[in-house]
Amino acid sequence: EPEVTQTPSHQVTQMGQEVILRCVPISNHLYFYWYRQILGQKVEFLVSFYNNEISEKSEIFDDQFSVERPDGSNFTLKIRSTKLEDSAMYFCASRVRGTGANVLTFGAGSRLTVL
Amino acid sequence: AQSVSQHNHHVILSEAASLELGCNYSYGGTVNLFWYVQYPGQHLQLLLKYFSGDPLVKGIKGFEAEFIKSKFSFNLRKPSVQWSDTAEYFCAVRPLDSSASKIIFGSGTRLSIRP
Repeated sequence: EPEVTQTPSHQVTQMGQEVILRCVPISNHLYFYWYRQILGQKVEFLVSFYNNEISEKSEIFDDQFSVERPDGSNFTLKIRSTKLEDSAMYFCASRVRGTGANVLTFGAGSRLTVL
Repeated sequence: AQSVSQHNHHVILSEAASLELGCNYSYGGTVNLFWYVQYPGQHLQLLLKYFSGDPLVKGIKGFEAEFIKSKFSFNLRKPSVQWSDTAEYFCAVRPLDSSASKIIFGSGTRLSIRP
């Protein structure tokens, strides 16, 4: 079964450092998403991406965050200057367009720990 | 604002007990509804979904959910739980007026099954 793969599985960084989280969506999927889950809290929407541009973003997704699809396969989330409160599990998701289009397939997540 | 409420934060049951997890959403329009499960240390997995038609939907592992439009509810049920059902369960809603197909998650219900 096709999977969404995410790297790294766990990253520890110092406050103020830049972090890039990588995702390889399922190959025929066209819509891409980042969600995050702070420990013990709900899964929160960050951003959605389609046709090489952001289609929707949440209030959490401020100027410190950016997304990119640099090479047609990877989908990255960059945090320019990490804060303690950015510590969370970040999930990438993708979906195909058309029938069954509303089902997101999630990756295993990247745990970010900011010290 | 659109929201999803899961009133039970932590449910503890014995094996073979029946399960019902509540989910209510606040949105007046047409929605798609989902239940995702997150087993310990694993990623989010789709348990079942409702798009249209029969409001009683059956998912994997013996789970089912009933969409009651008048109550804005989509409760998850299982007649007889097993120890392996120990996990976090997330209800999610996708309002169909969103072109970006953003899914909104509830805060989750942790299910602990006593062997």
